[in-house]
Amino acid sequence: EAGVAQSPRYKIIEKRQSVAFWCNPISGHATLYWYQQILGQGPKLLIQFQNNGVVDDSQLPKDRFSAERLKGVDSTLKIQPAKLEDSAVYLCASSLTGDSNQPQHFGDGTRLSIL
Amino acid sequence: AQSVTQPDIHITVSEGASLELRCNYSYGATPYLFWYVQSPGQGLQLLLKYFSGDTLVQGIKGFEAEFKRSQSSFNLRKPSVHWSDAAEYFCAVSTGGGNKLTFGTGTQLKVEL
Repeated sequence: EAGVAQSPRYKIIEKRQSVAFWCNPISGHATLYWYQQILGQGPKLLIQFQNNGVVDDSQLPKDRFSAERLKGVDSTLKIQPAKLEDSAVYLCASSLTGDSNQPQHFGDGTRLSIL
Repeated sequence: AQSVTQPDIHITVSEGASLELRCNYSYGATPYLFWYVQSPGQGLQLLLKYFSGDTLVQGIKGFEAEFKRSQSSFNLRKPSVHWSDAAEYFCAVSTGGGNKLTFGTGTQLKVEL
């Protein structure tokens, strides 16, 4: 079974530029998550999709971050404009359903550095 | 709101020694509890999970964890550590609907040969 795929693995941009990350979840997984992991901290949920609908985006900074999962499979996370504090690893995860007993499977992440 | 505390930021053990990583959670009811491991440059891999039933759960790579309701703890253990176990370990809790995970700040494990 193929795991969660993310690209790019690394991205370096200057502040105020825009950037986009892509995620392809495990086949058949209805629920997709984007996490932000700042150095020295645990991952923090940014947004959760159930199929193509948003379940929870309460911690997504909506003035600069956006995400979509138009066809209920792949997803993109965008930051525009980027700030220095956005430097982090962005992790995508998926689970079969959104039930609390479903383990989440993580991709390798995209490491974003803001200059 | 739920929270997870991992009181040890760094732990160093010798190869072959036993290991215990601490995790405490704050939640009114019985949560779903997870341990994940993260190697450098990689995503998180699920080691084990507790939902209900037997309070001692077995996971992959020889790890186990014990849920203690009275102490609000879910400590991770391994009887004999291997050098390849060096990584960062995260405890997480999922509560209510929606499968939202709240992570602790992680414990960095170093293994001395």
